[in-house]
Amino acid sequence: AQRVTQPEKLLSVFKGAPVELKCNYSYSGSPELFWYVQYSRQRLQLLLRHISRESIKGFTADLNKGETSFHLKKPFAQEEDSAMYYCALLRGAQKLVFGQGTRLTINP
Amino acid sequence: GAGVSQSPSNKVTEKGKDVELRCDPISGHTALYWYRQSLGQGLEFLIYFQGNSAPDKSGLPSDRFSAERTGGSVSTLTIQRTQQEDSAVYLCASSSTGGGYSEQFFGPGTRLTVL
Repeated sequence: AQRVTQPEKLLSVFKGAPVELKCNYSYSGSPELFWYVQYSRQRLQLLLRHISRESIKGFTADLNKGETSFHLKKPFAQEEDSAMYYCALLRGAQKLVFGQGTRLTINP
Repeated sequence: GAGVSQSPSNKVTEKGKDVELRCDPISGHTALYWYRQSLGQGLEFLIYFQGNSAPDKSGLPSDRFSAERTGGSVSTLTIQRTQQEDSAVYLCASSSTGGGYSEQFFGPGTRLTVL
């Protein structure tokens, strides 16, 4: 079964510290993975997609097929990074399978 | 331009009542999705419409849930005989194409509370 696991429901780090949000997946085939973010009182929005290999707002995520992981990283956290983060796996052409989400809090 | 809109933003209902949630996708988007965001459950896929094709209903949790998309635009998610476990935020999303992945744009959601 295709599944996305985010083991941390809550993550709290200090401003300026590195942050890593964990995501593991199970999928038979070549996965297509995403990170979505929901800031307070805003809509869920795409943060980054592994195929594009971009760095968005200082965040990067590398697909590790051996470890079936797609962890989201940022070297220096900022207060505006506080949000709910969801890892997602594309199933078929369009359906997204989401993890349970990690609420990231950046402390000043 | 206007994004995905949903109405109502909040809905409080009594157990056993029927509710209808509405989604207006971005104009021109052919694909429309419904998801449910529950505390502790994350985001669950419910149903997907693509153009005139038969919808993918594989995520609907029970036969109390149904959805329609009229004229290839507006969609309505109907929950019959609501239960307390139906309390959640219901999110709608739309995307521009169905043949290969296109970014899904989400609406603000409808928060449903079943008393």
